[in-house]
Amino acid sequence: AQSVTQLGSHVSVSEGALVLLRCNYSSSVPPYLFWYVQYPNQGLQLLLKYTSAATLVKGINGFEAEFKKSETSFHLTKPSAHMSDAAEYFCAVGGSAIYFGSGTKLNVKP
Amino acid sequence: ETGVTQSPTHLIKTRGQQVTLRCSSQSGHNTVSWYQQALGQGPQFIFQYYREEENGRGNFPPRFSGLQFPNYSSELNVNALELDDSALYLCASSSRDSGRGETQYFGPGTRLLVL
Repeated sequence: AQSVTQLGSHVSVSEGALVLLRCNYSSSVPPYLFWYVQYPNQGLQLLLKYTSAATLVKGINGFEAEFKKSETSFHLTKPSAHMSDAAEYFCAVGGSAIYFGSGTKLNVKP
Repeated sequence: ETGVTQSPTHLIKTRGQQVTLRCSSQSGHNTVSWYQQALGQGPQFIFQYYREEENGRGNFPPRFSGLQFPNYSSELNVNALELDDSALYLCASSSRDSGRGETQYFGPGTRLLVL
């Protein structure tokens, strides 16, 4: 079985501060891991995907995530938050079917 | 390149009715997956269609059914609607032939309200 756990349903940072959104996975096979972003009243947009090619994955909009097998983690980071980053972020695991976490809402304060 | 589109955008139904949601996949994609996203939750996998056949199903009852057409567009049908079926229904398309872990591209969703 595959699943992910996102720690923190709400995260608030100041504009320009580091963004860190936490995700831990559970998988009996080498996982494919994803981060998606959802803006209000919209669908999901892929930020980045881990497919075992490299442990540090760079995505769109300045986001990146590091796969750590020893910690079963795939945390999402961005060095400097922008107001436009305010959205809900979902970590997910899977192959043909994707299993999502419960999401983390990111608030960016001016 | 046309992205994933879904129709309708919003829908209101009453308990016990039936509903059909539609999805047009992205050009070149042969796989469609459907997800249900209840308010305040992450999307949950309903089922997936690959070349017109169901290719995996999540923990949803049989009253949730689907179709995929030769042009790879898809329908999600829900019979005997219940209040808990109120949610955002997301369709995602991908290209199975690109290998495992293929990227799924999501449509904007259909928001269903059951009264």
